[in-house]
Amino acid sequence: KAGVTQTPRYLIKTRGQQVTLSCSPISGHRSVSWYQQTPGQGLQFLFEYFSETQRNKGNFPGRFSGRQFSNSRSEMNVSTLELGDSALYLCASSLAASGVETQYFGPGTRLLVL
Amino acid sequence: DQQVKQNSPSLSVQEGRISILNCDYTNSMFDYFLWYKKYPAEGPTFLISISSIKDKNEDGRFTVFLNKSAKHLSLHIVPSQPGDSAVYFCAASSSGTYKYIFGTGTRLKVLA
Repeated sequence: KAGVTQTPRYLIKTRGQQVTLSCSPISGHRSVSWYQQTPGQGLQFLFEYFSETQRNKGNFPGRFSGRQFSNSRSEMNVSTLELGDSALYLCASSLAASGVETQYFGPGTRLLVL
Repeated sequence: DQQVKQNSPSLSVQEGRISILNCDYTNSMFDYFLWYKKYPAEGPTFLISISSIKDKNEDGRFTVFLNKSAKHLSLHIVPSQPGDSAVYFCAASSSGTYKYIFGTGTRLKVLA
């Protein structure tokens, strides 16, 4: 089975711009979660989607949003970018019927905000 | 409020010896735990999991121990190999929350 894929892998934006990141889960996985990793920090949970519904959201400002499509692919959007948004954004998928199943990560999108 | 803590930022071990990585948590509702390995510029790779109904789980060179009363879990790698050098994250979740809380990671260096 193909793993989780994320596009693009690298992105450079300037402050004030917006960005959309894409994630395709492992075939058959219906849950997609997004995380932000910054230097010295662990992975910070952004949100989780299952069957096009957001089931949980982390403590991030409203500039961070996401959605999931009927084929389980997911996108996250960050509007009005700030320098502090520079990070590795990771997507993970799981079967997640129960919510306590193993998550499998993609390679991440490295975002640099100038 | 760091619910999952990895208090050792780094650890060095000789090749062939045991590596022990530790993780503490504060939320007694956590009932599923994962360990991941991460290389630079890559996504985390799943290593091993454990449910709160168990106190030990093994997979090859990797064993995870869970002490619920102490709210502590540990990952043992035996024998350690240079290719194990990476950052290791523990993560915890509780049923119905649909989210994992990650520790800040421990950088393991296995010396040849």
